Amino acid sequence: EAQVTQNPRYLITVTGKKLTVTCSQNMNHEYMSWYRQDPGLGLRQIYYSMNVEVTDKGDVPEGYKVSRKEKRNFPLILESPSPNQTSLYFCASSPSGGSDTQYFGPGTRLTVL
Amino acid sequence: AQSVTQLDSHVSVSEGTPVLLRCNYSSSYSPSLFWYVQHPNKGLQLLLKYTSAATLVKGINGFEAEFKKSETSFHLTKPSAHMSDAAEYFCVVSAYSGAGSYQLTFGKGTKLSVIP
Repeated sequence: EAQVTQNPRYLITVTGKKLTVTCSQNMNHEYMSWYRQDPGLGLRQIYYSMNVEVTDKGDVPEGYKVSRKEKRNFPLILESPSPNQTSLYFCASSPSGGSDTQYFGPGTRLTVL
Repeated sequence: AQSVTQLDSHVSVSEGTPVLLRCNYSSSYSPSLFWYVQHPNKGLQLLLKYTSAATLVKGINGFEAEFKKSETSFHLTKPSAHMSDAAEYFCVVSAYSGAGSYQLTFGKGTKLSVIP
């Protein structure tokens, strides 16, 4: 089944404790991206990647890192999480960005205490 | 730079009446435009997209949207609302951001309530 998977789905952590949220797609898509969703703000793009080893900042990259060492994986790294990073996070992929349909993962709800 | 404005944060309609969700955009390049739907506690699903072909785009579940370049609008409509349409709807613009990259920008969302 074609899908985007994210792990973990739920995470409660404390300020400053490094964490990684994994994202994997099995559709051989070139384009992958991370979003955060906050009430009243919609989805805001954190980082995106057009291909392996190519990443770009989105609208809200501060406090986040990403890497794209393999086409199928695009982990989101929070080196020192803070409470303002409490949010619902979505990973998405598409064949090549642009006019392509985005396929979204199920979401990761992160709480930073 | 690009932006998306969804003109209503909340729309309430009675079952069987028309739905209109409004979206305006700005973009330096010719954009692709999308509407996605998010049902409660679910991920996002594509409703329809515009990619410079026909200006009237038909999507799933009876939704359609019209691209109006002169008005920079991409409003979503449905002739008759169903209870299952209650969800949050996002208008999205995708435009070229240079060096072979595309950036997506989401509107803040419109929550649609359907009254029985």
